[in-house]
Amino acid sequence: DAGITQSPRHKVTETGTPVTLRCHQTENHRYMYWYRQDPGHGLRLIHYSYGVKDTDKGEVSDGYSVSRSKTEDFLLTLESATSSQTSVYFCATRTGTGDTGELFFGEGSRLTVL
Amino acid sequence: DAKTTQPNSMESNEEEPVHLPCNHSTISGTDYIHWYRQLPSQGPEYVIHGLTSNVNNRMASLAIAEDRKSSTLILHRATLRDAAVYYCILRKRGNEKLTFGTGTRLTIIP
Repeated sequence: DAGITQSPRHKVTETGTPVTLRCHQTENHRYMYWYRQDPGHGLRLIHYSYGVKDTDKGEVSDGYSVSRSKTEDFLLTLESATSSQTSVYFCATRTGTGDTGELFFGEGSRLTVL
Repeated sequence: DAKTTQPNSMESNEEEPVHLPCNHSTISGTDYIHWYRQLPSQGPEYVIHGLTSNVNNRMASLAIAEDRKSSTLILHRATLRDAAVYYCILRKRGNEKLTFGTGTRLTIIP
């Protein structure tokens, strides 16, 4: 257990509103990731971070931004939510000690955009 | 990037061994083979990984073909708690963009 907490766990919002999901970790892991999971698509990487203020895009980054001002927190922001962003969002962390480090995942945040 | 191919679903009887296959015919020499599983309503969890040699840990064994074009995750004695979606993933050294496919949904029959 890497001490990963996602908030909120469930959110319903309307199209066009901004949404921020928070991932908090207590293990001082260097790497943090945001994935989304949709039926038929598995998990797809949105953005990841390799250190404070250091982030990079994943395969489905359009419409999302991230920020990491502290090691323990990685925020995912939807500036103007759309119905296509209805999904389950997972945060993950990795220690960064070597290339084979395992990923630890949070419990997920279910977002519904009406 | 090299991709993996897994069966969509498999069934196995409780207390019997389970062999979950994964094909990765375009694997490169620096790709590690990782397996994760996702229990219902949870985030994925790490199971095992390897490069060339077979690997064992408390959860499972990983058998890697000599040409590395395929691998098999082995659960030695399946329990109902092993019912999950199992993902086979290739991880290139230095690449953080880990891609999860749709995996294999394993059903355990009591």
